[in-house]
Amino acid sequence: QKEVEQNSGPLSVPEGAIASLNCTYSDRGSQSFFWYRQYSGKSPELIMFIYSNGDKEDGRFTAQLNKASQYVSLLIRDSQPSDSATYLCAVNPTGSARQLTFGSGTQLTVLP
Amino acid sequence: SQTIHQWPATLVQPVGSPLSLECTVEGTSNPNLYWYRQAAGRGLQLLFYSVGIGQISSEVPQNLSASRPQDRQFILSSKKLLLSDSGFYLCAWLSSGGRNEQFFGPGTRLTVL
Repeated sequence: QKEVEQNSGPLSVPEGAIASLNCTYSDRGSQSFFWYRQYSGKSPELIMFIYSNGDKEDGRFTAQLNKASQYVSLLIRDSQPSDSATYLCAVNPTGSARQLTFGSGTQLTVLP
Repeated sequence: SQTIHQWPATLVQPVGSPLSLECTVEGTSNPNLYWYRQAAGRGLQLLFYSVGIGQISSEVPQNLSASRPQDRQFILSSKKLLLSDSGFYLCAWLSSGGRNEQFFGPGTRLTVL
């Protein structure tokens, strides 16, 4: 069974700090990786995607991928209270180009 | 630009009643469409996906069904709701740019009493 694992949290960081969210996946052949942000009561919003090993930066967000370790992470620099949400990791599994497998999410709280 | 609509936004239904949730997409043609369910405090569970009119794949055996009567319309139905059907139902479409990105509609929150 292809799985995506996330620490459910809650993760609390002070305003201005770096928040680090982690995700591991079991399907070694996975090629595409996504991070979604979900505010309470709202639908998930795509914030980052990464396909290649290494780092990808977009504003205050950095996605990191290590395929050898089957590990993908999201760093949020200069965390703001508005970043408080649940962050979902999603993986495009091998042989299922049109589908995503989601982790259960990590709840992040940024304390003012 | 592409837009995805879902209705109703919220729904409270008694056990045993029927269900019909609708999803429509604007600004794209022949999209891949998905129905997910998110139980309280849980991740997303893929229920159905469709690659075209009349083409439905079911991921989880249950008392739900899906239909795609038009290119940009995806419907989730049930003949008799169970308490366990409560949850947040999300429709999503797959971007056509080859990056396998899925984008979600606003969702329908269903409570079965």
